[in-house]
Amino acid sequence: EDQVTQSPEALRLQEGESSSLNCSYTVSGLRGLFWYRQDPGKGPEFLFTLYSAGEEKEKERLKATLTKKESFLHITAPKPEDSATYLCAVQAGSGNKLVFGAGTILRVKS
Amino acid sequence: DAGITQSPRYKITETGRQVTLMCHQTWSHSYMFWYRQDLGHGLRLIYYSAAADITDKGEVPDGYVVSRSKTENFPLTLESATRSQTSVYFCASSENGGFPDGYTFGSGTRLTVV
Repeated sequence: EDQVTQSPEALRLQEGESSSLNCSYTVSGLRGLFWYRQDPGKGPEFLFTLYSAGEEKEKERLKATLTKKESFLHITAPKPEDSATYLCAVQAGSGNKLVFGAGTILRVKS
Repeated sequence: DAGITQSPRYKITETGRQVTLMCHQTWSHSYMFWYRQDLGHGLRLIYYSAAADITDKGEVPDGYVVSRSKTENFPLTLESATRSQTSVYFCASSENGGFPDGYTFGSGTRLTVV
């Protein structure tokens, strides 16, 4: 059974204080790992897809990396508008379904 | 407007009643999905569809029914609502099963069963 575990459950940062969110996964035949951002009362919004170990992708203050067992979402010099829940998901095997982790709630204070 | 829309945004229903949540997308995406989101569980897949008239069960399908007679619509029906089905429901769509741009999600329906 595919499993995705995100840590920490919640993270509080001061504006400008860089940190990382972790997503560890156990799957058979990873096809892709996805990061989403979710704001309160809204649906998840796609951020990145990573396909293979060693791959990195960046968008503004966010950088996602992938190893064979986990992915990190690095947040550099965060701003209050980066506050959201960040979700990690994997797609594995022959199906087209995404399996999600429970998410990390990020709060950035000014 | 282009996009994926869910209705209603909020719904309160009584135990035992049938309720249908609607999902409509304007892109003609092949794939559509229904997830529920609960504290501590994250998003869990209920049902999905690869094309019109093709549907399949996800992780938590019991108590739910779906249909897809048209590519753009994917309604989710709770045949006899129970309190454990109180949740936020998200519909999503994708052209290529998630690659390269993941799924596009709707804004969700918050369902309360009393």
